Amino acid sequence: DTAVSQTPKYLVTQMGNDKSIKCEQNLGHDTMYWYKQDSKKFLKIMFSYNNKELIINETVPNRFSPKSPDKAHLNLHINSLELGDSAVYFCASSQAGGTLNQPQHFGDGTRLSIL
Amino acid sequence: DQQVKQNSPSLSVQEGRISILNCDYTNSMFDYFLWYKKYPAEGPTFLISISSIKDKNEDGRFTVFLNKSAKHLSLHIVPSQPGDSAVYFCAASSHGGKLIFGQGTELSVKP
Repeated sequence: DTAVSQTPKYLVTQMGNDKSIKCEQNLGHDTMYWYKQDSKKFLKIMFSYNNKELIINETVPNRFSPKSPDKAHLNLHINSLELGDSAVYFCASSQAGGTLNQPQHFGDGTRLSIL
Repeated sequence: DQQVKQNSPSLSVQEGRISILNCDYTNSMFDYFLWYKKYPAEGPTFLISISSIKDKNEDGRFTVFLNKSAKHLSLHIVPSQPGDSAVYFCAASSHGGKLIFGQGTELSVKP
């Protein structure tokens, strides 16, 4: 009955590879997000989708491409992985862009390690 | 430039005492502030929020105080319990826009 689930939980891969992280939410929310938590522990937003439409696209290399097949899913595909991509990636969801009484709900994260 | 800062990376408190976690921000347009709690290997979970039109919001043992003139908010936990040991993130947004997070404060509550 996990609300926001992301897979895999751990991902270890070689530099230069292409990988995907999947995210699904069963809360009926209309907005989903991808965050990156780097080695300095800051949680920074990368992308946000509302009803399958991209609404936030931060300064992220175009090697990162989000895809939302429906409003319950937001996947993250990363091409040509680099050492600096090593981080924990969190998926989140909220209703109506995250208003006062409807905060964002987070998945448990995917720890990506680039060798 | 980090708009939300938590200057204390860690805090240790005795069980039963008060825990005070602090957060400073620079953007005067922020109108919504939240605290999230995070256990290891889990995602952040929402704890409590406050609108900029208020200066205090209370939920059980948790109270958030907002001082707009100082651009400062704090989270008070009274009484602190060992299960409160976690990393606490402060976050802020403007007009329902993206959330800007601080870097977190690790709270350790000792029995």
